[in-house]
Amino acid sequence: AQSVAQPEDQVNVAEGNPLTVKCTYSVSGNPYLFWYVQYPNRGLQFLLKYITGDNLVKGSYGFEAEFNKSQTSFHLKKPSALVSDSALYFCAVRAPINDYKLSFGAGTTVTVRA
Amino acid sequence: NAGVTQTPKFQVLKTGQSMTLQCAQDMNHEYMSWYRQDPGMGLRLIHYSVGAGITDQGEVPNGYNVSRSTTEDFPLRLLSAAPSQTSVYFCASRGLTSYEQYFGPGTRLTVT
Repeated sequence: AQSVAQPEDQVNVAEGNPLTVKCTYSVSGNPYLFWYVQYPNRGLQFLLKYITGDNLVKGSYGFEAEFNKSQTSFHLKKPSALVSDSALYFCAVRAPINDYKLSFGAGTTVTVRA
Repeated sequence: NAGVTQTPKFQVLKTGQSMTLQCAQDMNHEYMSWYRQDPGMGLRLIHYSVGAGITDQGEVPNGYNVSRSTTEDFPLRLLSAAPSQTSVYFCASRGLTSYEQYFGPGTRLTVT
């Protein structure tokens, strides 16, 4: 079975400071990994993905994520957080052999204070 | 493109009532899915479809039915609503050869 863990329910940072949202996963074979963001009363928006290749992937709004196969992690990072980054962030994993099933973590609420 | 659209945005039902949540996409995507979002549990897959006429169950299918008569539409039917089905429901779609899913704005359902 595949699963995702986001160990922090909440992350609080000051504007301008680095932001990290943690994610670990469990899946058979090589994973497809994703980050989505949800703003209040909105649907989920795609941020970035790792499929293969370079372990550091860059996405929308200045976010990036690092794939670490040995630690089965895919942490989301932003060098300098903005107040507008305050939202709910979801990590998700899909195994290539389960083409339909995208498994989500419970989500991490990020609050960036001015 | 309108992307993925869902109606209604909000709905209140009484226990035992039935209703259909509508979902449509205009991107000609083969895959469509329904998820429910509950606090602290992320999104859980209810049903999915890989094309017109083909549907299958996800993680939490009980109490829900789906059908896919066209590529564009993927309605979710609640047969007899229960308070445990109070949730936010999201529809999503994906192209056969693409990786990321596109989500609709969601339907907030309350069952009393």
